[in-house]
Amino acid sequence: EIVLTQSPGTLSLSPGERATLSCRASQSVSSSYLAWYQQKLGQAPRVLIYDASSRATGIPDRFSGSGSGTDFTLTISRLEPEDFAVYYCQQYGNSPLTFGGGTKVEIK
Amino acid sequence: QLQLRESGPGLVKPSETLSLTCTVSGGSISTSSYYWVWIRQPPGRELEWMGTIYYTGDTYYKSSLKSRVTFSVDTSKNQFSLKLNSVTAADTAIYYCARRSGRHHFDYWGQGTLVTVSS
Repeated sequence: EIVLTQSPGTLSLSPGERATLSCRASQSVSSSYLAWYQQKLGQAPRVLIYDASSRATGIPDRFSGSGSGTDFTLTISRLEPEDFAVYYCQQYGNSPLTFGGGTKVEIK
Repeated sequence: QLQLRESGPGLVKPSETLSLTCTVSGGSISTSSYYWVWIRQPPGRELEWMGTIYYTGDTYYKSSLKSRVTFSVDTSKNQFSLKLNSVTAADTAIYYCARRSGRHHFDYWGQGTLVTVSS
């Protein structure tokens, strides 16, 4: 099973700042099959990025993903008030499909 | 716009069977290339993929749940279902159904339903 470790656990930033979230896999993720999801309180997750760097439909371009192999990054270039949420990475290249533990982006 | 909605009891007794159904609207569950999944999230914890089903009935379960879980699909109702038997408090979670896209990530989700295991 591929274990995904997300860091930091919590990121305290102000609107307008840049957020950099990390996701490290215990072994290489096949074909960069990695996605990032945003989850707000009481809501289902929403896909932001798939295949490590492709933005999902309707996702603003301030969200970007990068990385390959075992190290992946989600960057939010300038935080908007609606971006404060929990972010999960997920790999779908190997079974079982697994999620990271999440990074909470909170208002400083 | 594709929509998914989970339904089922919100409270299940220990050792009994948890049963949930996901109703898909705005699209056909029988569309090729799309698979359908169940994911759960214990309160305050991360997401856990439980398994995947195709409209033909082919299933793929997480190995740690395989002995207790059964998925099924009803194409005539555009629904797929989950049964988890011998539940314990550890199965208390929000249960989501979702669609696995052609690119394999989960692109549509239901709103989730909280199932509590308690006597």
